[in-house]
Amino acid sequence: GENVEQHPSTLSVQEGDSAVIKCTYSDSASNYFPWYKQELGKRPQLIIDIRSNVGEKKDQRIAVTLNKTAKHFSLHITETQPEDSAVYFCAAPYYQAAGNKLTFGGGTRVLVKP
Amino acid sequence: ETGVTQSPTHLIKTRGQQVTLRCSSQSGHNTVSWYQQALGQGPQFIFQYYREEENGRGNFPPRFSGLQFPNYSSELNVNALELDDSALYLCASSQTGFKETQYFGPGTRLLVL
Repeated sequence: GENVEQHPSTLSVQEGDSAVIKCTYSDSASNYFPWYKQELGKRPQLIIDIRSNVGEKKDQRIAVTLNKTAKHFSLHITETQPEDSAVYFCAAPYYQAAGNKLTFGGGTRVLVKP
Repeated sequence: ETGVTQSPTHLIKTRGQQVTLRCSSQSGHNTVSWYQQALGQGPQFIFQYYREEENGRGNFPPRFSGLQFPNYSSELNVNALELDDSALYLCASSQTGFKETQYFGPGTRLLVL
């Protein structure tokens, strides 16, 4: 069945260091992989996404890499700042005969220490 | 912030009651998805509506139902509320299904006593 595993569940980094979060998915037909950032009490906000026709995408300090063969994708945050502290979720779509669904990972709580 | 809005922001109900949550999609978006987010967990997909029809459903019982209107706004209805239904309910709108970016609303926090 569909499954998205996300690691680690918590991540503590020093300000200025890099943070890496990894996700694996099970449906080989998945072709779109978003990452969301959720601050306490707020809505999930899309921070970056990648489609299966590319292996890497960057947006300032954030990058996402995709390995379709291994079915995993990763979020990289460089030069972390205290405002990067939040919970980050990866997601992958699953295409079924009865309709499609988007499955989220369990989340990674990132704490950036000043 | 996105153009997706939800109402109400908070709601308290008792077991066995029924609840209706509302979502207005972002301008130009014709697809609305609903998610349940329990405390400390990732959003769980409930269902998606595209052009007023259900276009995918997660592992939720039939007492979770929905509607989409011609203006693409949507409702989530939950009957026979249970304590475990207490959660943040999020809707997300997109242009078409999952191949387009989904933008989340602020959510409705439901507490079932």
